[in-house]
Formats: sequence, structure tokens, C-alpha cells
Amino acid sequence: AQRVTQPEKLLSVFKGAPVELKCNYSYSGSPELFWYVQYSRQRLQLLLRHISRESIKGFTADLNKGETSFHLKKPFAQEEDSAMYYCALSGSYNTDKLIFGTGTRLQVFP
Amino acid sequence: GAVVSQHPSRVICKSGTSVKIECRSLDFQATTMFWYRQFPKQSLMLMATSNEGSKATYEQGVEKDKFLINHASLTLSTLTVTSAHPEDSSFYICSATGVLAGVTNEQFFGPGTRLTVL
Repeated sequence: AQRVTQPEKLLSVFKGAPVELKCNYSYSGSPELFWYVQYSRQRLQLLLRHISRESIKGFTADLNKGETSFHLKKPFAQEEDSAMYYCALSGSYNTDKLIFGTGTRLQVFP
Repeated sequence: GAVVSQHPSRVICKSGTSVKIECRSLDFQATTMFWYRQFPKQSLMLMATSNEGSKATYEQGVEKDKFLINHASLTLSTLTVTSAHPEDSSFYICSATGVLAGVTNEQFFGPGTRLTVL
């Protein structure tokens, strides 16, 4: 079955602390993995995807096929990182649907 | 980046009426549009996938006669909630992917439509 699991509903940290948002997936084949972010009162937007291997806003995520994980990390959290983060997977075709995890709310306290 | 709009942003209707929600890709041709439903503090649930000029593909458990989807052009898809009831109250979000996304399958999301059925 195709599934994305985000075990934490809420993650609270202080500014400057490291952050790791966990994501595990189940997929038969070679999926593409994404992290989407939704800031308060804003639309969902792509944060990063595993194939680009980019670091966006200080966030990185490495695809670990052995552990079927795609955890999102940032060494030093900022208050403006507070948002809802969704991990998602898709097949490799342009029209493939996204399967979302349940999301993790990140709260960064000053 | 690509922009996707939705109209209306918020709608309140009486039980039994039908409501149409529009999703537009403003600066690119959307070959595929997706419709999601999001309950409070929950994840996005895919309702259907819509390809331009063809019938939508609905996810299991989604009533296609209840949620009518039309994707008549490369920039517009509509979702019509027919004979709406209070349990249809939700946040409906569309996304689009297409030529602007290049070789990747990035979906660009609309701002969502809050439907409240009284």
C-alpha cells in the first residue's frame, strides 16, 4: 500500500535549536518525495524535493531508501519556520497524484 | 512561479443547493488538476484527478455524482458540490501541474475554498 507516515503531530522547539521532522513512506516502486509547507493563512507550497538535492531556507532532506525515510532537518530553527509541514510522495510521471502524510506542526518559540 | 487561483475563497450555502468552485492556472497550461479536501487540522485528502478534455478519475470513496468535476480547458477546472449537506462543509483545495513544471511533476496549489453548508 502507498502510504506516508508523519509520526509527530506537533514539534515544539526554541529558536536556534535543531529540528528534525520525521517522514516514512511505503511505496512499491521508485517514488519521488516532497516536503510541502503551509504557513499560517497561506497556501500550500513546495519546500523541497529529493531529486533536486537543494537546501531551501536552511532545510535539507535526504532520501534513505533502506529505511524508507525522508526526514526534514534544519540545524538552527527560526521563528519564521513555524508552520505546518507535509511530507508527500508521488510516482515519477507528471500526472501522478500526491499522497500526503498527516502533517507536523512546527512551533518555534523565541 | 506558477500561480493557481480559486474562486470563491469562501462560500456559505443552504442545504440542498449546489455550489461551484473554480480553479484556474493563471500563467501556465495545466494539463492535470487535482482536487483535495482538507478537514480541520487534518491532511489533504485527494478527491479526484482531472485531465483536460477527459473525465476525472475519482479516488475510492468519493462520490462522482456528488462532486462533479469538469476540466474543459487547459486553464480551468471546476468542482461542483451537488445537493450540498452540512457534512460537505470543508476546505477544498485544487492544484495544477503542467507545462510550466517542466520535466518535473510539481503541483502548484490554489489558496483553497472554505465551504460552509447550513
